[in-house]
Amino acid sequence: EAQVTQNPRYLITVTGKKLTVTCSQNMNHEYMSWYRQDPGLGLRQIYYSMNVEVTDKGDVPEGYKVSRKEKRNFPLILESPSPNQTSLYFCASTPGLGADTQYFGPGTRLTVL
Amino acid sequence: AQKITQTQPGMFVQEKEAVTLDCTYDTSDQSYGLFWYKQPSSGEMIFLIYQGSYDEQNATEGRYSLNFQKARKSANLVISASQLGDSAMYFCAMREVIYGQNFVFGPGTRLSVLP
Repeated sequence: EAQVTQNPRYLITVTGKKLTVTCSQNMNHEYMSWYRQDPGLGLRQIYYSMNVEVTDKGDVPEGYKVSRKEKRNFPLILESPSPNQTSLYFCASTPGLGADTQYFGPGTRLTVL
Repeated sequence: AQKITQTQPGMFVQEKEAVTLDCTYDTSDQSYGLFWYKQPSSGEMIFLIYQGSYDEQNATEGRYSLNFQKARKSANLVISASQLGDSAMYFCAMREVIYGQNFVFGPGTRLSVLP
């Protein structure tokens, strides 16, 4: 089954404790992206990757890091989480430039105390 | 400036009636894509429909159609024959090719279908 998986689905942590949210897709898609969703703001793009070793900032990259060492994986790293990073996070993938849809993961709800 | 505007924070519709969810966008790109997603209370993002900027026909997918008015920069979603299961948040989004694969989402419209 074609899918995007994220882990963990739920995470409660404390300020400053480094964490990684994993994202993996099994569709051989070139393009992957991370979003955060906050009430009243919709989804905002954090980082995206056009292919292996190619990443770029989205609209809200501060406080986040990403890497794309393999085509299927695109982890999101919070080196020193803060309470304002409490949010619902989505990973997504598309086949490539100009694709007519994005496939979303199930979401990760992160709470930073 | 907001690139995607959804002016209806909440909408109500009677079951079996049609409803239109508004979306306007702002871009200087000539080649772009417009998307609608549904997010039920369970939280997942469900792709509904896509319209390319060069598509001359309005996109349709089952009960969903996209009313694309390029000159007005609007991409309204029309849901025909609403069902209770249509109650959800609906997001309009745009992909601007000129910025690589930058996707921008609107703030969403919460649709409630009344029995």
